[in-house]
Amino acid sequence: KNQVEQSPQSLIILEGKNCTLQCNYTVSPFSNLRWYKQDTGRGPVSLTIMTFSENTKSNGRYTATLDADTKQSSLHITASQLSDSASYICVVSEDNAGNMLTFGGGTRLMVKP
Amino acid sequence: EAGVVQSPRYKIIEKKQPVAFWCNPISGHNTLYWYRQNLGQGPELLIRYENEEAVDDSQLPKDRFSAERLKGVDSTLKIQPAELGDSAVYLCASSLVLEDTQYFGPGTRLTVL
Repeated sequence: KNQVEQSPQSLIILEGKNCTLQCNYTVSPFSNLRWYKQDTGRGPVSLTIMTFSENTKSNGRYTATLDADTKQSSLHITASQLSDSASYICVVSEDNAGNMLTFGGGTRLMVKP
Repeated sequence: EAGVVQSPRYKIIEKKQPVAFWCNPISGHNTLYWYRQNLGQGPELLIRYENEEAVDDSQLPKDRFSAERLKGVDSTLKIQPAELGDSAVYLCASSLVLEDTQYFGPGTRLTVL
């Protein structure tokens, strides 16, 4: 069964600090991996997408890494801001059309002043 | 450009009552998805439409859930009768047919009393 496991489930950090969120998956075949940010009461918004051949991709203060051999990904947030408080969801796709998706349970991040 | 629109944003009903959710996808997006998201978990796919055709409804509880996408644009998701366990956020997303990114609406938070 395809699975996406995220850790930690929740995380509290102080404003300005860095943090790293983890995603391990068993999805096969593998097409791509996305990180979504979901603010409370809102739908998820795509942050990054990585294919098999990509090891790292950045979007502002967000940097995602992918190790397709170990089936692990991480999302690193640099110099956190209060607005980074949200749930971060890792999503793995089996096909190029993005229609076979397996969602992780998310990591709930809270940034405190 | 307008994003995915959903209504209502919140709905509170008593068990055994019917309820309906509405979704207007991004203009030009042929693929439409309905997801259910329980608190603290990632979204779970209920049904996927390609234009007006439901191409994946394997996770839709067909005894009480129904969906339609007339004319391949707007979609409605109905529950009849609702049960306590149906309390969740129902998310609608859309994407271009061959394009990977799914754009999510804000969701409808359903509470069944």
